[in-house]
Amino acid sequence: NAGVTQTPKFRVLKTGQSMTLLCAQDMNHEYMYWYRQDPGMGLRLIHYSVGEGTTAKGEVPDGYNVSRLKKQNFLLGLESAAPSQTSVYFCASRSWGGKVSSGANVLTFGAGSRLTVL
Amino acid sequence: KNEVEQSPQNLTAQEGEFITINCSYSVGISALHWLQQHPGGGIVSLFMLSSGKKKHGRLIATINIQEKHSSLHITASHPRDSAVYICAGAGVAAGNKLTFGGGTRVLVKP
Repeated sequence: NAGVTQTPKFRVLKTGQSMTLLCAQDMNHEYMYWYRQDPGMGLRLIHYSVGEGTTAKGEVPDGYNVSRLKKQNFLLGLESAAPSQTSVYFCASRSWGGKVSSGANVLTFGAGSRLTVL
Repeated sequence: KNEVEQSPQNLTAQEGEFITINCSYSVGISALHWLQQHPGGGIVSLFMLSSGKKKHGRLIATINIQEKHSSLHITASHPRDSAVYICAGAGVAAGNKLTFGGGTRVLVKP
């Protein structure tokens, strides 16, 4: 049981290049999230999905696109990378519904992807 | 204005001391998550609670719904507890988006 797997773990891009971060979870979770973490800023939500085929914008969606064609995968795309997108990106997933006391709805995070845009 | 406020921002303790981190949140938060992040490391979910108290090993989390306040306690602290602890409130709307506190950086000295 791998949990949440993010690829790649590290990437260096030049301004204007494009790339896709992949998040895969094997827990059959409905909800998936992409966050970015910057020094002194804490975690900020980029986009999220409440189920296969659905996506929604978070706090800082500009410059990013996402897709959730399969329930287990949530892709984060940068069409034209900018230095301001240098950050550590975290994917997370969680189940929906169920009793909190039973452990449902607990968040599981990926290990993070460190992206540098030169 | 952040809907989730954490205190203190930084905390230094001697090994063995009892540590408390506080989190206050606003209306519209249905559950509270406590997360742990070691330096350069990933993020681990410690607790999620919507009422009462939960305990796991030396960690205890409590929540007071009426006062909209939660605390994370570390008993008999150890240097390996040094990490950033983050509280996050889950909203009631679809997606249960999280609003994060600013984090508390804990350093436990041997």
